[in-house]
Amino acid sequence: DIQLTQSPSSLSASVGDRVTITCRASQRITNYLNWYQQKPGKAPKLLIYGSTNLQSAVPSRFSGSGSGTDFILTISSLQPEDFATYYCQQSYGTPNTFGQGTRLEIK
Amino acid sequence: QVQLVESGGGLVKPGGSLRLSCEASGFIFSDFYMSWLRQAPGKGPESVSDISASGYTIDYADSVKGRFTISRDNANNSLFLLMNNLRAEDTAVYYCARGRAYSHGIRDLWGQGTLVTVSS
Repeated sequence: DIQLTQSPSSLSASVGDRVTITCRASQRITNYLNWYQQKPGKAPKLLIYGSTNLQSAVPSRFSGSGSGTDFILTISSLQPEDFATYYCQQSYGTPNTFGQGTRLEIK
Repeated sequence: QVQLVESGGGLVKPGGSLRLSCEASGFIFSDFYMSWLRQAPGKGPESVSDISASGYTIDYADSVKGRFTISRDNANNSLFLLMNNLRAEDTAVYYCARGRAYSHGIRDLWGQGTLVTVSS
């Protein structure tokens, strides 16, 4: 199975900060990397697919980059509603696998 | 309204069985791959099983192969997961999710989840 490692595991930031979360794959997955946001007690929500494509209705402050094994999720200016846990997921191999998550907390 | 609604979770003893259901609405269910995923407390999501739009192509995670069975009823917009011989490690919130058109590994719509607890 393809392993995904996210860093950091947790992060404290303030409203208005620029934040980056990294996801590294154990093998090359071209651009088959997706990002999800999850709030407590809720289902994950798709933010970014295909490494760089913004899902419909997701604010433009979210962006994704990367290819091969290294990927980045960037939030350009944190808003109060962005404090959540973020997961990367690869859809290159079967089974699709997820990272362990990055918890974004308010400083 | 485009949504998925799961039901059927609960408390079951090790070795027991449960059948989860997922009712879809607001989109053409028969056009989409569907999946079951689960999330244990404090962990990331894990793919459990996928089924193609027609129902002919099915995949399972190694951890559930031979114990779980996925199925769908396109006439009634419903997805199912029959879980047999349940183990403590199957305890999780189970989500049904829709695979994005032309790239079913991308889950673009999720239900609210149903909790399965396996304990004596």
